[in-house]
Amino acid sequence: KNEVEQSPQNLTAQEGEFITINCSYSVGISALHWLQQHPGGGIVSLFMLSSGKKKHGRLIATINIQEKHSSLHITASHPRDSAVYICARGGFGNEKLTFGTGTRLTIIP
Amino acid sequence: KAGVTQTPRYLIKTRGQQVTLSCSPISGHRSVSWYQQTPGQGLQFLFEYFSETQRNKGNFPGRFSGRQFSNSRSEMNVSTLELGDSALYLCASRGSMVLQETQYFGPGTRLLVL
Repeated sequence: KNEVEQSPQNLTAQEGEFITINCSYSVGISALHWLQQHPGGGIVSLFMLSSGKKKHGRLIATINIQEKHSSLHITASHPRDSAVYICARGGFGNEKLTFGTGTRLTIIP
Repeated sequence: KAGVTQTPRYLIKTRGQQVTLSCSPISGHRSVSWYQQTPGQGLQFLFEYFSETQRNKGNFPGRFSGRQFSNSRSEMNVSTLELGDSALYLCASRGSMVLQETQYFGPGTRLLVL
C-alpha cells in the first residue's frame, strides 16, 4: 500500500463545476503538499499545509490531521485548470517528500 | 528572481553510457532536491543537498549520485544507464531545511535511454 493515496485517478468535468480531489496518507505528517503539473512537465507548488485550511484564488486546500486526509477543491473550474494534481507528504527538515500517483483533471469548455 | 533552471532540457543516451544533469536553484536557496518521474512509478525522491552535503537519500541504486557546489548549483550523475532510467528528472530548491518552506521546481530534464 502506498503511503499516499489519491482519488480519483482521472476526473473530467464541465467548465464551472466544483472540483474535489482527495488525498489520504497512512503515516503522520510534518506537512502535506499539493502540486500542479501541466503537460510538458513543469510542477508548481500550490499549497503546503499542516493543519486547517488554505485558500488561493479559486483553490482551497483542507486537511484533517486526525483522519489523515486532505482535499483540494477548485471552485468555478476553467479549462486552464486542466492538469495533473499531486499530493505529497513530508518535506520538512530532513523528511523526504513522498508523492501520490496524481489525479488527471480535464475541464471541458 | 529567476526560477530554478535545469540543463539540458532533453537528452538521448544509449545503454551503458553515463549522464550528468545540472540544476541551478533560485538565488539564495541552499537546498536542492532531485526527483525522478516515470509513468510507472510516478514521482520519486532521489536525494537532497544542503550546503554541499547530502542530507537525505531515496531508494535508488548507487549508479545515481549527486553533488552540490559552493554556489548551491547541483549536478546529478547516472552511470551505466539502463532503459528504465528513461524519465523526467526534476530538481527543486528551497531556502532552508529548518523552516516549512515551499519547494520550487525546475522545468525538468527529459532523458531517453535507447
